[in-house]
Amino acid sequence: QQQVKQSPQSLIVQKGGISIINCAYENTAFDYFPWYQQFPGKGPALLIAIRPDVSEKKEGRFTISFNKSAKQFSLHIMDSQPGDSATYFCAASRKNTDKLIFGTGTRLQVFP
Amino acid sequence: GAGVSQSPRYKVAKRGQDVALRCDPISGHVSLFWYQQALGQGPEFLTYFQNEAQLDKSGLPSDRFFAERPEGSVSTLKIQRTQQEDSAVYLCASSEYRGTKNIQYFGAGTRLSVL
Repeated sequence: QQQVKQSPQSLIVQKGGISIINCAYENTAFDYFPWYQQFPGKGPALLIAIRPDVSEKKEGRFTISFNKSAKQFSLHIMDSQPGDSATYFCAASRKNTDKLIFGTGTRLQVFP
Repeated sequence: GAGVSQSPRYKVAKRGQDVALRCDPISGHVSLFWYQQALGQGPEFLTYFQNEAQLDKSGLPSDRFFAERPEGSVSTLKIQRTQQEDSAVYLCASSEYRGTKNIQYFGAGTRLSVL
């Protein structure tokens, strides 16, 4: 049972373009939604995170949009750069537990 | 300071062998997690420690998997009688709270290949 569904599986974007990755969840007990970035041979690294009491959070070129009623959230990467080429995972955790439930990942390739 | 360190980085085991994977968390981090990442998939939770106490082991796939953290720092994940389906990257993370946000810092993982 996949608790966090992520799409697309892969994404190709031209340099300077906008990359958009979407996630959906079912469990309304989730209250923390981070995005992780993973380069080949490395562990995932926290990129940005949001709680459901806000609809948007922006940090530099990275923005999370959160739709609580639709139980969906998305990552937007503005002005995508070749250095952003990596696999991105959305995740969620429930209140009173810190274990993360990850999506299946999106492999992003940004071409110059 | 140093991040989360895992060893070995790569491990090849014959089916039926026992393996031990080590995790050195960031100094001072109370919480430690183990995840299993199959090829092309997201990490899946295995188990969680707070200091030396194993508070959640609901993700361990079978009784062949065992984890410990006896002194509340270094942790070891042991897999007995390895099977081919155990082949994966095993990730360790330690975490800290910044405000209300729990931030997990991951090691580079141990890639286990069972032949």
